[in-house]
Amino acid sequence: DGGITQSPKYLFRKEGQNVTLSCEQNLNHDAMYWYRQDPGQGLRLIYYSQIVNDFQKGDIAEGYSVSREKKESFPLTVTSAQKNPTAFYLCASSIKGHQPQHFGDGTRLSIL
Amino acid sequence: GIQVEQSPPDLILQEGANSTLRCNFSDSVNNLQWFHQNPWGQLINLFYIPSGTKQNGRLSATTVATERYSLLYISSSQTTDSGVYFCAVEVGAAGNKLTFGGGTRVLVKP
Repeated sequence: DGGITQSPKYLFRKEGQNVTLSCEQNLNHDAMYWYRQDPGQGLRLIYYSQIVNDFQKGDIAEGYSVSREKKESFPLTVTSAQKNPTAFYLCASSIKGHQPQHFGDGTRLSIL
Repeated sequence: GIQVEQSPPDLILQEGANSTLRCNFSDSVNNLQWFHQNPWGQLINLFYIPSGTKQNGRLSATTVATERYSLLYISSSQTTDSGVYFCAVEVGAAGNKLTFGGGTRVLVKP
């Protein structure tokens, strides 16, 4: 089946620890995105990438890092610099240009 | 940056009722999407509608770009329509970055 796979579904982080969230798509989409959702709120853009080996900061990039070494993969690292990482993280992808975005099922990150 | 406001913030419906959700945005946009987030957090595409009207079953949407608003209509609501409805707008010439509204939380009672 074609789609966007995020893993794990639930993740726990200790203080001072970096964690990496996985996002893989087999839709052959050029562009990929990471969003953060806090309880009761809409989504906010963290990072996005329109092409392999290139990515741009979104509205809330501080404390996060990404890489785009392969077209189908766009992992997000939540670093220890992110002081309030507890949130629901959603990955999306789209065909390049003005095309609709499609979302994965998300990863819920909590602090231990 | 662009502001996206959705109304009402909360909506309680009796099963079978009709309703209208509104999305206002503060500047010109390239495109607009409506999503439904179910209780498990999954975000489902409903419409990709930069202008005009589209229908999909009991749902329809209208975007009037010149007046900077979009409407989502739910007819004959069902309990499975419960969840949060988001509109998101695309701005900028490079890439389709989405800016989301705060959502409308819908509860359909049997």
